[in-house]
Amino acid sequence: GAVVSQHPSRVICKSGTSVKIECRSLDFQATTMFWYRQFPKQSLMLMATSNEGSKATYEQGVEKDKFLINHASLTLSTLTVTSAHPEDSSFYICSARDRPGSGSTDTQYFGPGTRLTVL
Amino acid sequence: QQQVKQSPQSLIVQKGGISIINCAYENTAFDYFPWYQQFPGKGPALLIAIRPDVSEKKEGRFTISFNKSAKQFSLHIMDSQPGDSATYFCAASGRDNFNKFYFGSGTKLNVKP
Repeated sequence: GAVVSQHPSRVICKSGTSVKIECRSLDFQATTMFWYRQFPKQSLMLMATSNEGSKATYEQGVEKDKFLINHASLTLSTLTVTSAHPEDSSFYICSARDRPGSGSTDTQYFGPGTRLTVL
Repeated sequence: QQQVKQSPQSLIVQKGGISIINCAYENTAFDYFPWYQQFPGKGPALLIAIRPDVSEKKEGRFTISFNKSAKQFSLHIMDSQPGDSATYFCAASGRDNFNKFYFGSGTKLNVKP
C-alpha cells in the first residue's frame, strides 16, 4: 500500500516552454501533497504544500507564478513549470499524506521523482 | 536556519558492520521523526519512524534511538550489506507546523563488500 506515482519520470524541453508533472496517490486518498526539488547530492527542498480543493502554500523564495500547483482531487496533484529555463533543471519529487484519521497521517509517501532538463 | 542537523555527510562501513547516522533538532514541538532511504535517481522511501514517547524502535536490521532530553535521534543499521548503500535522510515534523517535514542534509552510506 501507500504508493505514489509520478509522470513523466524524465522530461527534456526547450527553454521557454511549460512542463506539467503529475503526482498520483494510487491506493489511498491524500488530502495533502507536497512538492520538493532536489539538486544533485543535496537534500530535499520543500517548494509548496497543496491541499485538495484549495490554493497551494508556497515556501519562501518559490515563485508561485512560475511553479503552478493544482490539487484537483484526493488522488492527483500537478506541478506546472511555466516558461522553463535551464536553471529550472532539477529533480522534482512529490509526496502525499493520508487523510486524517487513517492512522498514518504524519507519514509522507514519496513518488519516484521527475528529472527535468531544460535546454 | 537549519531545523534538523545530520551527520556524518558520508560513511563507509564494511559488510557486516554497524552503520550509525545521527540527527539533532531544536524545535521541541516536533513529534514525528522518520528516516528515509534514497537510491540514485529514485524518490525517498520510508524506512522507519519514531515518536517521542519511546526511546527506541526496531524493525529488522534498522533501529532508531531517540533521546528527547538531548533532542537527538539516530539510525543504526546492523549487519550492514552492500545493498544498503544509499543516501539516508532524517526528518522531523510537528503538528504546530502543519506536519511539514524538515529534512536533514543526508548521509551517503557506502557498504564495502
